[in-house]
Amino acid sequence: GAVVSQHPSRVICKSGTSVKIECRSLDFQATTMFWYRQFPKQSLMLMATSNEGSKATYEQGVEKDKFLINHASLTLSTLTVTSAHPEDSSFYICSARDSASGISDIQYFGAGTRLSVL
Amino acid sequence: GNSVTQMEGPVTLSEEAFLTINCTYTATGYPSLFWYVQYPGEGLQLLLKATKADDKGSNKGFEATYRKETTSFHLEKGSVQVSDSAVYFCALSDRGAQKLVFGQGTRLTINP
Repeated sequence: GAVVSQHPSRVICKSGTSVKIECRSLDFQATTMFWYRQFPKQSLMLMATSNEGSKATYEQGVEKDKFLINHASLTLSTLTVTSAHPEDSSFYICSARDSASGISDIQYFGAGTRLSVL
Repeated sequence: GNSVTQMEGPVTLSEEAFLTINCTYTATGYPSLFWYVQYPGEGLQLLLKATKADDKGSNKGFEATYRKETTSFHLEKGSVQVSDSAVYFCALSDRGAQKLVFGQGTRLTINP
């Protein structure tokens, strides 16, 4: 089946630093990828939709300058948390939609990145 | 807006027990409905889906029927196994934007 690789799986950083998270589709091309955030014992909340070659579409309430998304190729999207603070500590998950598949409403998920900001 | 409410967990059952995890939704239009499963240390995987009223999705012994009249998509399995221990997410997809809206997840533990 389709595989999405997310890296790193866990990162600990100091307050004020920036952290980059990568999301790669390993065996398919993805013009559209999604970034989610999950708080403990809560649901996944969509942060933004990442479109290859164009600007990401952010959900209401998500700071664009805080969470920078780049989708420069058909297999890679990155999320950069800029000037991270403790309140940004969370579990971040990416997903990708197979561009070539006719079943376009299925998303394939990465294993997630746990970010801890000290 | 669209929303999904699912049964709070955690749920603990013995092997071979019958499983039901309730899921109800609120949506405009006609969404597609999904169940995703997350095994420990792994990403979410699609378990089953249904795209219109009265459709039944099924996979690995799990079933769920799209009930428009009750806006529900309950997950069932007749006889659970230890390997079914995971977190289960109910979700809907807005066909237009094709975004997924998730329930809060239900942690299922099956004891031998």
